[in-house]
Amino acid sequence: EDQVTQSPEALRLQEGESSSLNCSYTVSGLRGLFWYRQDPGKGPEFLFTLYSAGEEKEKERLKATLTKKESFLHITAPKPEDSATYLCAVRSSGGYQKVTFGIGTKLQVIP
Amino acid sequence: DVKVTQSSRYLVKRTGEKVFLECVQDMDHENMFWYRQDPGLGLRLIYFSYDVKMKEKGDIPEGYSVSREKKERFSLILESASTNQTSMYLCASIGRDPSGANVLTFGAGSRLTVL
Repeated sequence: EDQVTQSPEALRLQEGESSSLNCSYTVSGLRGLFWYRQDPGKGPEFLFTLYSAGEEKEKERLKATLTKKESFLHITAPKPEDSATYLCAVRSSGGYQKVTFGIGTKLQVIP
Repeated sequence: DVKVTQSSRYLVKRTGEKVFLECVQDMDHENMFWYRQDPGLGLRLIYFSYDVKMKEKGDIPEGYSVSREKKERFSLILESASTNQTSMYLCASIGRDPSGANVLTFGAGSRLTVL
């Protein structure tokens, strides 16, 4: 059974204070690891897809990296508008390639 | 941009009512998903479909059914709504974006309250 564990559950940062969110996973053949941002009351918004260990992707203040067992979402010099819940998910190659999500990390950036 | 549209943003139903949640995507994606999202539990997969008239149970299919008569439309049905089905329901479809990356795109969500 595919599993995704995210840590920490909640993170409070001062504006400009860089940090990282962790996503640990076990999956029967990885066909993609996804990162999403979700604002309250809205659907998740796509950020990145990573496929293989060593891959990195960047978007503004966010950088996602992938190893064989975990992924990190690095946030550099965050701003209050980066406050949101960040979700990690994996797509497996077994069966019909379902997508399994972690519970998420709720990030609050204080001015 | 891929668009996933959920027909109802907010619904209030009574226990025992039949509920239909509709989802339409405009990018010819084969795979579509229904999740429910609850505080502390995250997104849990109810059903997914990999082609027209094809469906697979997810992790929590009990009390739900689905219909996929056309490629663009995936419906979630609650045959007899119960209070424990009060939740945010999210529809999604997956396909490749112009860069070749797989992208799972979500709708805005349907918040269902069962009284």
